[in-house]
Amino acid sequence: AQKVTQAQTEISVVEKEDVTLDCVYETRDTTYYLFWYKQPPSGELVFLIRRNSFDEQNEISGRYSWNFQKSTSSFNFTITASQVVDSAVYFCALSRNQAGTALIFGKGTTLSVSS
Amino acid sequence: DVKVTQSSRYLVKRTGEKVFLECVQDMDHENMFWYRQDPGLGLRLIYFSYDVKMKEKGDIPEGYSVSREKKERFSLILESASTNQTSMYLCASSLPGGGTTNEKLFFGSGTQLSVL
Repeated sequence: AQKVTQAQTEISVVEKEDVTLDCVYETRDTTYYLFWYKQPPSGELVFLIRRNSFDEQNEISGRYSWNFQKSTSSFNFTITASQVVDSAVYFCALSRNQAGTALIFGKGTTLSVSS
Repeated sequence: DVKVTQSSRYLVKRTGEKVFLECVQDMDHENMFWYRQDPGLGLRLIYFSYDVKMKEKGDIPEGYSVSREKKERFSLILESASTNQTSMYLCASSLPGGGTTNEKLFFGSGTQLSVL
């Protein structure tokens, strides 16, 4: 069965703190894709990153970084020096490389960054 | 940039009404999706479509139907609205990716539907 678990329901931090959002996935596929999406208060989900199962290189984009570890089936997301604008719901998602299947989302982590 | 437009941001309907939620995308994407989002449950897939006049059931299709007569438009229909269909409805589109969902999704802003 395919499954995405985001164990942290809500996280609250103060500006400039670093914060890591956890994502653990389950799949029997050897080829798959992992995603992170951000949903700000406006409601529209925004794509952040996509990784395929053969690329375990960590990625950094400004204050955002992602740690993909197949050994632990995790794809964690770290925000460095958090800002109030980072306040949002963050979703991790898993896609199977198979026609006719759809994206599986985790339940999301609500991040609140206070000033 | 891709734009996915949902016709209404907020909608209030009565139980038993037939409800149409419209979604239009402007980037010629083959794939279109309808999700509902509920607190504590995340996003759940209702229906998706890989091409015109094609549709596939998602995880929670009961009580819903869809229509895709044109490539750019994907409609979600609640045949007889019920209070448990009060939710945020999100439409999304993506490139084909060989019929998979390996490509990123572009989302609309959502429709908050209240059924009274």
